[in-house]
Amino acid sequence: GQQVMQIPQYQHVQEGEDFTTYCNSSTTLSNIQWYKQRPGGHPVFLIQLVKSGEVKKQKRLTFQFGEAKKNSSLHITATQTTDVGTYFCAGPSPNSGGSNYKLTFGKGTLLTVNP
Amino acid sequence: KAGVTQTPRYLIKTRGQQVTLSCSPISGHRSVSWYQQTPGQGLQFLFEYFSETQRNKGNFPGRFSGRQFSNSRSEMNVSTLELGDSALYLCASSSRTSSEGGELFFGEGSRLTVL
Repeated sequence: GQQVMQIPQYQHVQEGEDFTTYCNSSTTLSNIQWYKQRPGGHPVFLIQLVKSGEVKKQKRLTFQFGEAKKNSSLHITATQTTDVGTYFCAGPSPNSGGSNYKLTFGKGTLLTVNP
Repeated sequence: KAGVTQTPRYLIKTRGQQVTLSCSPISGHRSVSWYQQTPGQGLQFLFEYFSETQRNKGNFPGRFSGRQFSNSRSEMNVSTLELGDSALYLCASSSRTSSEGGELFFGEGSRLTVL
């Protein structure tokens, strides 16, 4: 079945450094979503990308959707301690009959920031 | 607007017992999805319900079941608990199905420990 792979699994940075996590799908995605989960918390929706080559920004966060709609990235500029958490990408994958889609999550990238 | 509410937040069971977890979605949301989160496997899709109908089911044994009521509230049940069922069970609601690209709003989860 479809897989959504994320790298790296872990990333430790000094506060003020940049951070990037990458997401790759084995199949073309109709859309890709990003979520953030703080330690001890629950995933929180960040953004959805739909168009090929789409780039969206949220303050210091930049999200990109690849031209082939099979990969995506999240880049954080000048990390802060509030950025700590696990970042997940998620894409729709079909059930065995191909009629309905479920949201499949990558394993996530755990970001830790040293103040 | 109130968020997704899950009960109970924490519970401890012994092997062989069964458990029922409850989820109240955001008002107006008719789609409810359930995920199992463990450190090793990440977020694993269990099921999605929309308007009382199961739209999709993940690769879990038949011991895992769910349902949705007419008011969109959902329950999931795990029978004959095994040690490996210890996990954080997350419920998420959406105004659209995953097939329609709906973003998920997660509850805080029910943390199940099986002894």
